Amino acid sequence: DGGITQSPKYLFRKEGQNVTLSCEQNLNHDAMYWYRQDPGQGLRLIYYSQIVNDFQKGDIAEGYSVSREKKESFPLTVTSAQKNPTAFYLCASSNFRGTYQPQHFGDGTRLSIL
Amino acid sequence: SQQGEEDPQALSIQEGENATMNCSYKTSINNLQWYRQNSGRGLVHLILIRSNEREKHSGRLRVTLDTSKKSSSLLITASRAADTASYFCATESLYSGGGADGLTFGKGTHLIIQP
Repeated sequence: DGGITQSPKYLFRKEGQNVTLSCEQNLNHDAMYWYRQDPGQGLRLIYYSQIVNDFQKGDIAEGYSVSREKKESFPLTVTSAQKNPTAFYLCASSNFRGTYQPQHFGDGTRLSIL
Repeated sequence: SQQGEEDPQALSIQEGENATMNCSYKTSINNLQWYRQNSGRGLVHLILIRSNEREKHSGRLRVTLDTSKKSSSLLITASRAADTASYFCATESLYSGGGADGLTFGKGTHLIIQP
């Protein structure tokens, strides 16, 4: 079955540590996204990528970095510069053909501070 | 920036009743989408309505869009316990240029269906 796989499901970060969240999709989608969700809140866009080797900052990119070396993969690194990283992180993908393309989501990674 | 705002923030009804939730937004849009999120899971796309459409149906779901009032509603008929979830509206801004960055989510309505 096609879909998006995020790993790990739970992740703990120590002070001063960088951690990387994995996102893989086999839907052959062009665009991929990373969102952050805080309790009782909506989704805020961290980074997005429309094509391999290209990505753009979203609304809250500070303290995060991404890469898009393969169409299927869009890993997110939460750096030590992100002072409040505890949140639920969601990866999504969609076809990029202008408008009208719904996004498909993974099941998220919950990141906590040790 | 938060474009859509759902109302109410939380809704509790009896199984079998209809559930209505609303979404208001601020800027002109290309389309509006509704998603469902079960606790601890990712979002699942439910339905998309384009700016030139006024109503759309999918199974027990009915979505309306009023662009003059910049609002949308999602109606779930004959609710079931399995409908318990958070529901989010998401808008694609008219000014996004059709780019992948154009989808903005609201804070969601938490729906509880009492058995």
